[in-house]
Amino acid sequence: QQQVKQSPQSLIVQKGGISIINCAYENTAFDYFPWYQQFPGKGPALLIAIRPDVSEKKEGRFTISFNKSAKQFSLHIMDSQPGDSATYFCAASMSNEKLTFGTGTRLTIIP
Amino acid sequence: DSGVTQTPKHLITATGQRVTLRCSPRSGDLSVYWYQQSLDQGLQFLIQYYNGEERAKGNILERFSAQQFPDLHSELNLSSLELGDSALYFCASSGGTAVEEKLFFGSGTQLSVL
Repeated sequence: QQQVKQSPQSLIVQKGGISIINCAYENTAFDYFPWYQQFPGKGPALLIAIRPDVSEKKEGRFTISFNKSAKQFSLHIMDSQPGDSATYFCAASMSNEKLTFGTGTRLTIIP
Repeated sequence: DSGVTQTPKHLITATGQRVTLRCSPRSGDLSVYWYQQSLDQGLQFLIQYYNGEERAKGNILERFSAQQFPDLHSELNLSSLELGDSALYFCASSGGTAVEEKLFFGSGTQLSVL
């Protein structure tokens, strides 16, 4: 049962462009939404996270946009760089329970 | 380096066999999580231990079991292996049990069942 749907599966963006990855969830009880970044041969690492009481959170070039009514949230990477090439996972959890991850988006930034 | 150590990095075995994956959490972390990563399913939560006790269970098969030892390292045992068990298995650790605590992932064990 896939409770967090992530798209696209893969994404190619030109250097300097904006990368956008989307996630949709079904369970309205989810109250914590992190994004993890994974480089080849490494485990995922926490990138940025948001609670549903705010609609946007920004950390450097990374922004999470959250739409509670649509049950969607997205990751925006501004001024995308080749070093941002990685697989990105969205996740969700409720009431301090386990994280449910999306299926991942492989992002490639081309020069 | 996340500070989480997983061994072995690669494991090749045959169907029906049993294997043990090992995880040493970051120094001081009491929680250990096991995840299975496959191409079509993404990261699937298997099980969590906190200070030696099982705290949460996810989509873990009955053929799989885990434990956390007094020194806080953890082992994931996979038995009666099937082709479909081939995947990347991650261990992660955190200081406590709050979901907002950052999970630190190891580099994973790539299991190939032939």
